[in-house]
Amino acid sequence: DTEVTQTPKHLVMGMTNKKSLKCEQHMGHRAMYWYKQKAKKPPELMFVYSYEKLSINESVPSRFSPECPNSSLLNLHLHALQPEDSALYLCASSPRRDDQPQHFGDGTRLSIL
Amino acid sequence: QKEVEQNSGPLSVPEGAIASLNCTYSDRGSQSFFWYRQYSGKSPELIMSIYSNGDKEDGRFTAQLNKASQYVSLLIRDSQPSDSATYLCAVKATNAGKSTFGDGTTLTVKP
Repeated sequence: DTEVTQTPKHLVMGMTNKKSLKCEQHMGHRAMYWYKQKAKKPPELMFVYSYEKLSINESVPSRFSPECPNSSLLNLHLHALQPEDSALYLCASSPRRDDQPQHFGDGTRLSIL
Repeated sequence: QKEVEQNSGPLSVPEGAIASLNCTYSDRGSQSFFWYRQYSGKSPELIMSIYSNGDKEDGRFTAQLNKASQYVSLLIRDSQPSDSATYLCAVKATNAGKSTFGDGTTLTVKP
């Protein structure tokens, strides 16, 4: 069982929909991450939160909006996505931003119609 | 030149053989090095981390680091079909808030 829990596991949405991905960890980690992974490619970093503050934004389009309500939760709000945004979205955590290793959740497989 | 490069795959070895996975990096300031295993359709899982030059062994896995030559490798002894997966090398510089991943090497262990 993974220590980082992501919901939902699968999501199909239209380009005009608004949805959210959720991530939760109870390891006391203070850094949380969102990655996007396309098939046969490595994970691509999107956002890093450190102590609930946005630390890194890798020039991600504004149709992706992260939120960190508290030290255990990380959300990714989705709006007006494009078909090319279909991918596996991975959440990860680490004790602190400069720490490794990162613990990954099982991911949300997102399909945009 | 990519920041982190892994030997192109796919790599196929017979069961019981040694699988050798290599990774080179361009940033001399890199201090932390990681190997992740990712099964098809699953998330990455950390299997080895190494921070100092030399070898680090954990069961059938040995990570080797040579900072002067800027490479890190992963050896899998007595390879098993269950080792068939994509192996991702990740490199992190001191005080960098993120790791840089290589493109991965897909390993197939044939029974």
